[in-house]
Order: sequence, then C-alpha cells, then structure tokens
Amino acid sequence: DIVMTQTPLSSPVTLGQPASISCRSSQSLVHSDGNTYLSWLQQRPGQPPRLLIYKISKRFSGVPDRFSGSGAGTDFTLKISRVEAEDVGVYFCMQATQFITFGQGTRLEIK
Amino acid sequence: QLQLQESGPGLVKPSETLSLICTVSGDSISGSSYYWGWIRQPPGKGLEWIGIINYSGSAFYNPSLKSRVTISVDTSRNHFSLKLKSVTAADTAVYYCARLGYFSGSGNHPNWFDPWGQGTLVSVSS
Repeated sequence: DIVMTQTPLSSPVTLGQPASISCRSSQSLVHSDGNTYLSWLQQRPGQPPRLLIYKISKRFSGVPDRFSGSGAGTDFTLKISRVEAEDVGVYFCMQATQFITFGQGTRLEIK
Repeated sequence: QLQLQESGPGLVKPSETLSLICTVSGDSISGSSYYWGWIRQPPGKGLEWIGIINYSGSAFYNPSLKSRVTISVDTSRNHFSLKLKSVTAADTAVYYCARLGYFSGSGNHPNWFDPWGQGTLVSVSS
C-alpha cells in the first residue's frame, strides 16, 4: 500500500498570509502512463470534501487561483498564497496511482 | 448538475451488515465511463477509501476491507450500493459516495473525486 504522510498536522495562519502543506508518499506516484495522480481536497467544517487540485497542479473548476499545487515523484506541496477566512478546514492529499489512499489531513486554522 | 445522495440505516448492530445506497442524479451511470466510489470518515478522523465500481460492475476494493465489502451497481435505478458485513464499532463513520473522474486526453485513468454526497453517519452499536 502507498502511505501518504502530511505535514504539518495543524497549521495556524494569519489572515492574508501564505500557507503551505506538504505531502509525501511512501513510493513514487508516477503511473505507468507517465502521469502523476496526486490531488488535494478541502473539507470545511461540517461539509463533505471538495476537490481543489488534481494531477499535482491542475486547479479544478471554480477553485480560486490563490490555491496552487506543485511537486513530483514522492514530494508534493499545496500552497495558499493569501489565506482567507473561508479557507479554514482540513486539507487532504490523495493518490490514485495505485488504488487510492489519503493523507491523514492538515487542519488549517486562523491565528 | 451532477448530485449524489447517500441513504440507509443510521444504526447497525455489531456483527450485522451495513447497507447503503448512493443515488445519482443529473447524469446516467450507464452513460458514463467514470467510476463511482465509497469513502468513509470516522468521527474526528481522516478519510478512508472503501472501493469503486463502474457501470459494467467492474469493482476494486481497499485491500484492508476487501474480505467484508461488496459494491454493486443498478443502472436501471441509477444508483450504486455498499454492503459491509460483520461490522464492529470501528466501522462507525460518516460514509460518503463520490464520482471518481478523469479528463480525457489527459490520461484516461480515473483519479479525482468530485462531486461528493453530503455523507451519512452510520453508527455501530447494540
């Protein structure tokens, strides 16, 4: 099984400041077709998860451009350029290269 | 607009079988090459993938749950179902259904979950 490890598990951020979340996989997420199937999801309090980013860096429809993804191989990052109040919640990375596994989640909170 | 809605009992007794249905509206399961999946989230914890199925009934399961899980599809009713047998308190969770999609021309490998249902809490208790 591919294990996904996120850091930090909690991230207090000041409004308007940037935030960054890391996700590391236990093995390469490069698929045999050459693509890397790493996505990021946001879960606001009391809500189901929502897709933000797929294939490392592609923003899903309707996602603000303050969210960006980067990385390759086994190391990936989600960045929020300027945190807004509505960004509070838990963020999960997910790999779909080999079956599906999620990271344990990172809680983003406002200082 | 594609929408998914979970339904089923909110309380299941230990050792019994948990059964849920996900009803899809706004698109036809049989007209889609996507997969349809179940994910669960124990209270206050993270997400765990349970399994996926496509319109033809081709299913893949989380190896850690495979011996207890069956996912099936009913294209005539445009829904898919989850059965988890021999449940224990550890199976208490919010159960979500979601579409596992992809964008053609970008590698036809389903790789993102959207949209998600609102989720349904299933408690295992006597």
